[in-house]
Amino acid sequence: RKEVEQDPGPFNVPEGATVAFNCTYSNSASQSFFWYRQDCRKEPKLLMSVYSSGNEDGRFTAQLNRASQYISLLIRDSKLSDSATYLCVVNTDSGGGADGLTFGKGTHLIIQP
Amino acid sequence: DAMVIQNPRYQVTQFGKPVTLSCSQTLNHNVMYWYQQKSSQAPKLLFHYYDKDFNNEADTPDNFQSRRPNTSFCFLDIRSPGLGDAAMYLCATSGYDSNQPQHFGDGTRLSIL
Repeated sequence: RKEVEQDPGPFNVPEGATVAFNCTYSNSASQSFFWYRQDCRKEPKLLMSVYSSGNEDGRFTAQLNRASQYISLLIRDSKLSDSATYLCVVNTDSGGGADGLTFGKGTHLIIQP
Repeated sequence: DAMVIQNPRYQVTQFGKPVTLSCSQTLNHNVMYWYQQKSSQAPKLLFHYYDKDFNNEADTPDNFQSRRPNTSFCFLDIRSPGLGDAAMYLCATSGYDSNQPQHFGDGTRLSIL
């Protein structure tokens, strides 16, 4: 059974703080991992892919722990514009290519002035 | 520079009245997806096309159909919408490579009267 689990939050964080949240996945065959950002009543937008060695994009850092089957997202120096829902997305390629995408329900982040 | 375009942005239909949502893409991606997303829930994959090869998720109701007349266009037909079908419908595209992310359109918000 494919499952991706996230703490729904909300996480209320003061502007400028650092915030981190995790996502766990149940299928050890999962092969690719992404964080998407979704604003209220808008479509999901790719924030970053998550690589095995971990990767950073500006204030955002993503980590993957295959042994424990979790992914993390760290946001440093948070801005008001970071307020959104962050969706953890896992692709379990069963040999059919890009069809095994499973979304978490998302973590709601609120940055407070 | 919209790359995945969904029309209309908002659609209102009557209970039981067929409705068609459209999606077009300028990315020349081989794979196109339709998702349903309800409030505070993760996007749920309904079906996807590998080129012209249609792949239906096991739990997608028969009420939902899809057509892909060419690479650029994909349609979602709801034959007899019920109140429970009110949701955001998201179209996404990707290449064959499962390590590549999916690109989403703005979505169509469907309301049922």
